[in-house]
Amino acid sequence: QKEVEQNSGPLSVPEGAIASLNCTYSDRVSQSFFWYRQYSGKSPELIMSIYSNGDKEDGRFTAQLNKASQYVSLLIRDSQPSDSATYLCAVEKAAGNKLTFGGGTRVLVKP
Amino acid sequence: DAGVTQSPTHLIKTRGQQVTLRCSPKSGHDTVSWYQQALGQGPQFIFQYYEEEERQRGNFPDRFSGHQFPNYSSELNVNALLLGDSALYLCASRSGNQPQHFGDGTRLSIL
Repeated sequence: QKEVEQNSGPLSVPEGAIASLNCTYSDRVSQSFFWYRQYSGKSPELIMSIYSNGDKEDGRFTAQLNKASQYVSLLIRDSQPSDSATYLCAVEKAAGNKLTFGGGTRVLVKP
Repeated sequence: DAGVTQSPTHLIKTRGQQVTLRCSPKSGHDTVSWYQQALGQGPQFIFQYYEEEERQRGNFPDRFSGHQFPNYSSELNVNALLLGDSALYLCASRSGNQPQHFGDGTRLSIL
């Protein structure tokens, strides 16, 4: 079992719709959770961080964390073609520790 | 305010050679981590440097070594290059327990 798992996609979403991305992790002691966006040939860009159970909203992005189910998700509302990228879920066991990444979910937003 | 900068952007080497990659952290950041990202995969943690010492190490052989300088910049050295070392090498910096920010990476190709 991989430490962090994501559906590789591609997740095809019509422009203006909601994209829903999921991530599960295996280590219950994990403390911090991040979503990075990576355009092809570019470096990962931090878009959301979440540390406690529940929802966290930032603009069109909402991260949801459920530690009991070891599950973290990312919702992208009003999806735009510019949101087409690979979204990486990353987990940190302790503050300041290394990041463990999932394989990423490729999202395609079609006009 | 410059972000994380890496050099060179691209590098081509042959098997058996040695390579040195460089990273300057974002201003105010004192911790540097290195990741290897193979095509189509998520980044894999190599090691982390803080106060000029290696604090954590991932599952990489001793051919991978690093250094951090007093100005917090860092180098990644890889000896006896293998074809499988072809990847995007990412440097990330942080301050304390804040999220990591990535540089644009060095694309290393081994022939």
